[in-house]
Amino acid sequence: EVQLVESGGGLIQPGGSLRLSCAVSGFTVSSKFMNWVRQAPGKGLQWVSVIHNGGSAYYADSVKGRFTISRDNSKNTLYLQMHSLRAEDTAIYYCAREYTSGEFDYWGQGTLVSVSS
Amino acid sequence: SYVLTQPPSVSVAPGKTARITCGGNNVGSKSVHWYQQKPGQAPVLVIYYDSDRPSGIPERFSGSNSGNTATLTISRVEAGDEADYYCQVWDSDPDHYVFGAGTKVTVL
Repeated sequence: EVQLVESGGGLIQPGGSLRLSCAVSGFTVSSKFMNWVRQAPGKGLQWVSVIHNGGSAYYADSVKGRFTISRDNSKNTLYLQMHSLRAEDTAIYYCAREYTSGEFDYWGQGTLVSVSS
Repeated sequence: SYVLTQPPSVSVAPGKTARITCGGNNVGSKSVHWYQQKPGQAPVLVIYYDSDRPSGIPERFSGSNSGNTATLTISRVEAGDEADYYCQVWDSDPDHYVFGAGTKVTVL
């Protein structure tokens, strides 16, 4: 059974750093494109980042240079390292598996990041 | 960057048909995916590659895509279909993913 379980969210001051984790089971994290998608309170879905099975990574303009996506194959876990956090980064962060070509077939339950002083 | 436009809300009576549009420049040349999100829950894929249904998704959910508009159709709407629906595409230049702003479906 495929499962994605996020952790690492919390309350952080502006300018701070946080690392989110997404523990994967039921498949190998390095075998699929893996994504982070966020949702600000009361707002829609916003794609954040993807890491390809070959290791290439891409980012939304709003997080480029501040966020880094990575994975640990030995732990079968996806990460999102976030630096220089801003109030507008406040959101539920979901990890999502990309099945073949752009569609996200499995999602985690999300972890809430709140950036506030 | 690429933009997908959805109506903010659609209202439909039980048993009737709901149609949710997703507009974009030549969106018919892209593969459109649709997600259902109920309050407090993660999104669920309901249609992929314009019109394919994942296993477990009722046949009442269907999709189409042509020209500048993709459409998610929910037939014989039930109270449990009340949710937010998002369309999404992958754009290659640069490699990124775009979601529509979402449509809230209300069952009257």
